Amino acid sequence: DQQVKQNSPSLSVQEGRISILNCDYTNSMFDYFLWYKKYPAEGPTFLISISSIKDKNEDGRFTVFLNKSAKHLSLHIVPSQPGDSAVYFCAASGASADSWGKLQFGAGTQVVVTP
Amino acid sequence: DAGITQSPRHKVTETGTPVTLRCHQTENHRYMYWYRQDPGHGLRLIHYSYGVKDTDKGEVSDGYSVSRSKTEDFLLTLESATSSQTSVYFCAISPGTPYGYTFGSGTRLTVV
Repeated sequence: DQQVKQNSPSLSVQEGRISILNCDYTNSMFDYFLWYKKYPAEGPTFLISISSIKDKNEDGRFTVFLNKSAKHLSLHIVPSQPGDSAVYFCAASGASADSWGKLQFGAGTQVVVTP
Repeated sequence: DAGITQSPRHKVTETGTPVTLRCHQTENHRYMYWYRQDPGHGLRLIHYSYGVKDTDKGEVSDGYSVSRSKTEDFLLTLESATSSQTSVYFCAISPGTPYGYTFGSGTRLTVV
């Protein structure tokens, strides 16, 4: 049973506009959340993360928001650029000794940025 | 990434044959992971290792075994390949923190 869910398999956005990617989780023990970006024929690469003690983390054009009560996080990309076209994975990790460092991934969202 | 390499990059094999995928790292990280990526499922953990000869199962370990005899190498073996194991396999390394993952470029395995 998937504990991290990305319900939108794809997203198309115009260059310069905002991309909003959503992620929901079911495990209240998750303590650390990450977004990965993946281009075809390459491995995922780390994009941005947030711990449960924060509700927002910003890094340049990328901002991640966390709503713990709703078990929901989102990734905002502003402005979107053609190079942002990729698959984005949401991931989560627990804080216990057993779960720390083991990532649970969502199914991914394919983002296409059009000119 | 130069710190982690997977081999082979592509493989086609027949049902019932054994297959071994290799992951090699030069970062001296303690943790190594094998994931598979399938449409609609994202990446799912198969097995992981927290040290030489120390391994444990992930969420989709049936049909797979692993070995780690050296810090730098983590092998994934499909004892008898099935069509359901057709997938893209990713190895990852980590110093032990969730934000320290580095993934390899993947192995595309097709079982016919």
